[in-house]
Amino acid sequence: SQQGEEDPQALSIQEGENATMNCSYKTSINNLQWYRQNSGRGLVHLILIRSNEREKHSGRLRVTLDTSKKSSSLLITASRAADTASYFCATAGANAGGTSYGKLTFGQGTILTVHP
Amino acid sequence: DGGITQSPKYLFRKEGQNVTLSCEQNLNHDAMYWYRQDPGQGLRLIYYSQIVNDFQKGDIAEGYSVSREKKESFPLTVTSAQKNPTAFYLCASSSPATSGSNEQYFGPGTRLTVT
Repeated sequence: SQQGEEDPQALSIQEGENATMNCSYKTSINNLQWYRQNSGRGLVHLILIRSNEREKHSGRLRVTLDTSKKSSSLLITASRAADTASYFCATAGANAGGTSYGKLTFGQGTILTVHP
Repeated sequence: DGGITQSPKYLFRKEGQNVTLSCEQNLNHDAMYWYRQDPGQGLRLIYYSQIVNDFQKGDIAEGYSVSREKKESFPLTVTSAQKNPTAFYLCASSSPATSGSNEQYFGPGTRLTVT
């Protein structure tokens, strides 16, 4: 079953603007990850935030996690046309170290279009 | 050059035929995964394997089969029992036991069309 729900489904912005995507989930997690997918390609891991972290940065990416609301957001600052892609959140269950630790549950994604 | 490869990129089959999708990794990862992606949708887990000679069903295993005879390889067979096999198939690997992270590395995908 799909745990992550992403919002918005599609986002269209101009180059230089910031893009914010949100992800909500239903059950307790060990960590939450964000991935990027260019059209017709495989996914690329962007950033991982653990359940005991509230905010994480990587370059132009900023991820927040609110476990009380079971939600996360991905902010891309100063967007570029090359950021155009689909972005997915994925959650890892709280059973860390168990046999299901490696499993991820993916949301349906946000399609980001950045216009030059 | 480390990575995960899938072949072929495009695959066409007639209805009623079984077809096997290849996935190979040279990352020395213990765990491997198969996902299905339909247009405009997220990824759904078909099968996963945490270790050689062992695998578990994911959320949509019906009509699919896998094997894990070697650490590097995790082929997926789409059988004639799969009612709607046309989709984009993605293979991934990770090594949570050794790296402490369950970040997954993805192959480029195989687009299967069954007519």
